[in-house]
Amino acid sequence: EAGVAQSPRYKIIEKRQSVAFWCNPISGHATLYWYQQILGQGPKLLIQFQNNGVVDDSQLPKDRFSAERLKGVDSTLKIQPAKLEDSAVYLCASSSIVGLNTEAFFGQGTRLTVV
Amino acid sequence: AQTVTQSQPEMSVQEAETVTLSCTYDTSENNYYLFWYKQPPSRQMILVIRQEAYKQQNATENRFSVNFQKAAKSFSLKISDSQLGDTAMYFCALRNYGQNFVFGPGTRLSVLP
Repeated sequence: EAGVAQSPRYKIIEKRQSVAFWCNPISGHATLYWYQQILGQGPKLLIQFQNNGVVDDSQLPKDRFSAERLKGVDSTLKIQPAKLEDSAVYLCASSSIVGLNTEAFFGQGTRLTVV
Repeated sequence: AQTVTQSQPEMSVQEAETVTLSCTYDTSENNYYLFWYKQPPSRQMILVIRQEAYKQQNATENRFSVNFQKAAKSFSLKISDSQLGDTAMYFCALRNYGQNFVFGPGTRLSVLP
């Protein structure tokens, strides 16, 4: 079974530029998460999708971050314009909808550096 | 709001010894799950063990076991016979009914030869 795929693995941009990250979840997983992990901290949820609908985006800075999950499969997270404090690892995860005990499967993340 | 606290930023243990990582949490829900995830330098988070809040019996997975104290809202991870490959960041996570995972700040574990 293929895991959660993310690209790119690394990205360096200047502040005020835009950037996009892509995630392909495990086949059949209805729930998709985007997490931001700042160095030395635990992952913080940015947005949660169930199929192609948003379940929770309360911590997404909507003035600069946007995300979509067209057709309920892969997803794109965009930052425009980027700030220095956006430097972090962006993790995508997916899980099936069966129950509370189902684990989230994570991708390897994209390390973003904003200079 | 759900919160997860890990009070040990860093720990070290000698190879083959036992180590315990602490986690406390807060939630107003009665139905939830607790997880420990491992994040090696490759960055990919891997599930170590999970515990259902309704089960009093502590979960065990090979060398990994938990001590779940529901009243105290405590969920510690014990690693027995530590191996060099256990070196990683360990995150405690709470999953509430809304299916969102809330993570703690992590504990960096170093296994020393």
